Amino acid sequence: DIQMTQSPSSVSASVGDRVTITCRASQDISSWLAWYQQKPGKAPKLLIYAASTLQSGVPSRFSGSGSGTDFTLTISSLQPEDFATYYCQQANSFPLITFGQGTRLEIK
Amino acid sequence: EVQLVQSGAEVKKSGESLKISCRGFGYRFTNYWIHWVRQTPGKGLEWMGIIYPGDSDTKYNPSFQGQVSISVDRSTDSAYLQLNSLKASDTAIYYCARFYNNGPARKLDYWGQGTRVTVSS
Repeated sequence: DIQMTQSPSSVSASVGDRVTITCRASQDISSWLAWYQQKPGKAPKLLIYAASTLQSGVPSRFSGSGSGTDFTLTISSLQPEDFATYYCQQANSFPLITFGQGTRLEIK
Repeated sequence: EVQLVQSGAEVKKSGESLKISCRGFGYRFTNYWIHWVRQTPGKGLEWMGIIYPGDSDTKYNPSFQGQVSISVDRSTDSAYLQLNSLKASDTAIYYCARFYNNGPARKLDYWGQGTRVTVSS
């Protein structure tokens, strides 16, 4: 099975900061990676797919990069509504998918 | 507007069974795979299985095989997740999600609101 490891597990930041979250796959997954945002009591929301493609309606301050085993999600200028938990997810081994353990983004 | 609407919260006792529904609106239900995902505080998001409503092709995460059953009713555009012989460790939120798979895009683009299941002994 492909394991997905995110870092850090949690991060504190301020409004306006630039934040980067990393996701590492245990084997090559090409660009079959998506990022999701989840707020308390809500379902995950798709932000980015194919490693770097922004889902329709998602603000451009979110961006993704990487291929192979190493990926990043960057939020260029944090807004109050961005404080949430973020998950990466691989889709290389369709139909089986796996998620990272999550990164909690908190207000400093 | 695409929506997936799940059945409501459930409280069950150990050993009981449960069937959660996920109804699709606003798109051709038979054309997209539906994933089922479990979320617990301890293990995060776990993939349980997937079904293609068009032909009921179903695949399970080996970790859940034998403990769950996924089905579909095309007459109501609904997918179902059945949980058998419930244990306290099945206490979780269960999500269905639509899988969009076309070219370079493989993504869970729409999610149900989640069904909270509590299992007591």
